[in-house]
Amino acid sequence: AQTVTQSQPEMSVQEAETVTLSCTYDTSESDYYLFWYKQPPSRQMILVIRQEAYKQQNATENRFSVNFQKAAKSFSLKISDSQLGDAAMYFCAYNPYNTDKLIFGTGTRLQVFP
Amino acid sequence: DGGITQSPKYLFRKEGQNVTLSCEQNLNHDAMYWYRQDPGQGLRLIYYSQIVNDFQKGDIAEGYSVSREKKESFPLTVTSAQKNPTAFYLCASSIPGTLNTEAFFGQGTRLTVV
Repeated sequence: AQTVTQSQPEMSVQEAETVTLSCTYDTSESDYYLFWYKQPPSRQMILVIRQEAYKQQNATENRFSVNFQKAAKSFSLKISDSQLGDAAMYFCAYNPYNTDKLIFGTGTRLQVFP
Repeated sequence: DGGITQSPKYLFRKEGQNVTLSCEQNLNHDAMYWYRQDPGQGLRLIYYSQIVNDFQKGDIAEGYSVSREKKESFPLTVTSAQKNPTAFYLCASSIPGTLNTEAFFGQGTRLTVV
C-alpha cells in the first residue's frame, strides 16, 4: 500500500531561523508527484510546493525548498527565514502517476516564535 | 472569482439524522473529492469523482454517499450509518491528468453530532 509518513507531530522555530519538516513515503511506482500543503488556522489548504519524481532538481518556491531523495523515498521541506505567518499545519502528500488520488500524511504542526 | 465553496461552515446534527454537505466549484474542474480530517490522522479520502455521473469510493466511504449530477457540484451526505461523523470535512477539485494535478480546496465544513 502507498503510504505517507510524517514523523514529527510538532515542530517549533524562532522567527528568521530555518526549519526542516520530514516526510517519507512508500511506493513501488517510479513516476509520481509529491506536494507540501499548508493549513493555517483558517483551515484552508494551500499548496506550498510540488515536485515531479522524474526531476532530479529539487523544487524551490521563494523561502520554501525541498530535499527530494528518491532512492530513500524522502521528501523534506525546508523553510528559510521563518515568519510568524508560516505557523500552520503542514501536510505532505503523494500523487501516483496517472491517477487523481492524493495520499496525505498525518501532518506536522509548526509553531513560530518571535 | 474562481474557487470552491463549501457550505455551511458549521453544521450540527442529531444522532440518527442524515445531513448533506454542499460543495460547489466554478473552476471548470472535472475531478472533485471529499476528505475527512480528524486530529492526528491527516486527511482521508471518502469519495471522489472524475466526471459527471461517475464516482468512486475512497478509503473510508462507509456511512457516506455522494452524487455528481452537475460538473460544478459534488454534495456529500453523511448518513446515520456513519458511527463517528463528528469531523472536519474538506472538498477539493482538480484538473484531471498527470502533469497538472494540483488540488484546490474549499474552506471546509465542521460537522458536530449533538
